[in-house]
Amino acid sequence: DIQMTQSPSSLSASVGDRVTFTCRASQSISSYLNWYQQKPGKAPKLLIYVASSLQTGVPSRFSGSGSGTDFTLTISSLQPEDFATYYCQQSYSTPLTFGGGTKVEIK
Amino acid sequence: QITLEESGPTVVKPTQTLTLTCSFSGFSLDNSGVSVGWIRQPPGKALEWLALIYWDDDKRYSPSLKRRLTITKDTSKNQVVLTMTNMDPVDTGTYFCAHSGVRDGYNSHFFDYWGQGTLVTVSS
Repeated sequence: DIQMTQSPSSLSASVGDRVTFTCRASQSISSYLNWYQQKPGKAPKLLIYVASSLQTGVPSRFSGSGSGTDFTLTISSLQPEDFATYYCQQSYSTPLTFGGGTKVEIK
Repeated sequence: QITLEESGPTVVKPTQTLTLTCSFSGFSLDNSGVSVGWIRQPPGKALEWLALIYWDDDKRYSPSLKRRLTITKDTSKNQVVLTMTNMDPVDTGTYFCAHSGVRDGYNSHFFDYWGQGTLVTVSS
């Protein structure tokens, strides 16, 4: 199985901050990496697919990059509605696997 | 538009079998490349992928749960059913079903539409 490791597990930031967090795969997954946002009590929402493609309707302040084993999700200017938990997921092979999540909290 | 909705028991006893149904609309599981997956989330913990069924009835399972899981589809009813045997309190959590579409002619293996989830508690 491909293990996905996210860091940090949590971070505190202020509205307007640029935030970046990372996801590392235990082996190369090319660009088959996806990012989801989840708010408490809600289903995850797809933000970015295949590393850098923005899902329809997702604000352009979200961007993704990386390939191989190392990937990043960047929010260029954090908005109040962005405080949530973010998960990465590899779609390179089954079993599909998710990272442990990064929780973005208000500073 | 694509929608999915999970249904099933909210409480099951240890050793019982859980049966969850995902009812969907806005797409067909007859369409080449499409799949529906199940993902769960224990309270306060991360997402865990469980199973996937493809348009051609191919199936994939989490290796750690494979012996306990069965996923089936009823295309005429637009439903996918997941059964999990021998339930344990550690299986308590929210269970989601989700749509995985086609990209470049193949199943994308990412989930672009999700149900709202159903909370299952395993307790005697």
